[in-house]
Amino acid sequence: SQQGEEDPQALSIQEGENATMNCSYKTSINNLQWYRQNSGRGLVHLILIRSNEREKHSGRLRVTLDTSKKSSSLLITASRAADTASYFCATVRSGTYKYIFGTGTRLKVLA
Amino acid sequence: DAGVTQSPTHLIKTRGQHVTLRCSPISGHKSVSWYQQVLGQGPQFIFQYYEKEERGRGNFPDRFSARQFPNYSSELNVNALLLGDSALYLCASSLGSGTYQETQYFGPGTRLLVL
Repeated sequence: SQQGEEDPQALSIQEGENATMNCSYKTSINNLQWYRQNSGRGLVHLILIRSNEREKHSGRLRVTLDTSKKSSSLLITASRAADTASYFCATVRSGTYKYIFGTGTRLKVLA
Repeated sequence: DAGVTQSPTHLIKTRGQHVTLRCSPISGHKSVSWYQQVLGQGPQFIFQYYEKEERGRGNFPDRFSARQFPNYSSELNVNALLLGDSALYLCASSLGSGTYQETQYFGPGTRLLVL
């Protein structure tokens, strides 16, 4: 079974609003990564946060990681219609090269 | 630079047949991973190869196998296809630096339909 679980499963917001999605995982990790997928195509890497980091920014993206709670959040600020996609978190279990993806959050940004 | 390429883009097979999917990594990348993504779910890790050696394996039956060639391209083979093998198969490449802090770059995928 997949390790990561994203919450919410689906999110619909207006353009310009912020979107927050959360990810929980079960075991100790090397790092956590967020990916975007448009219409069932290949995934695009957004950001990687290491297990010893607590927050990271990249453009309109802000990621936090709480290893004590085994959770992460992705914030997209000032959302655009082009941000409409599915977002997945992926964890790399400590001591392995095995990537475990969550179930994804489907984000819809309405123009 | 070209990204990760996969072939074919679409494939239709019948139950019991065999299929081979191909992946070419980004130039300079030595690691290739394979994932299965069933509609509505996240990708499931199948294999990771580095320098032609298997470096990780997910919970898939032995009907699934893969290999990596000296030019770092890779093949995923699935024998005795089942209806449940219908999915998008994704290939991802990474530098293969030996650390765990690697970014994976995904190809567009091969959509397999088993009838």
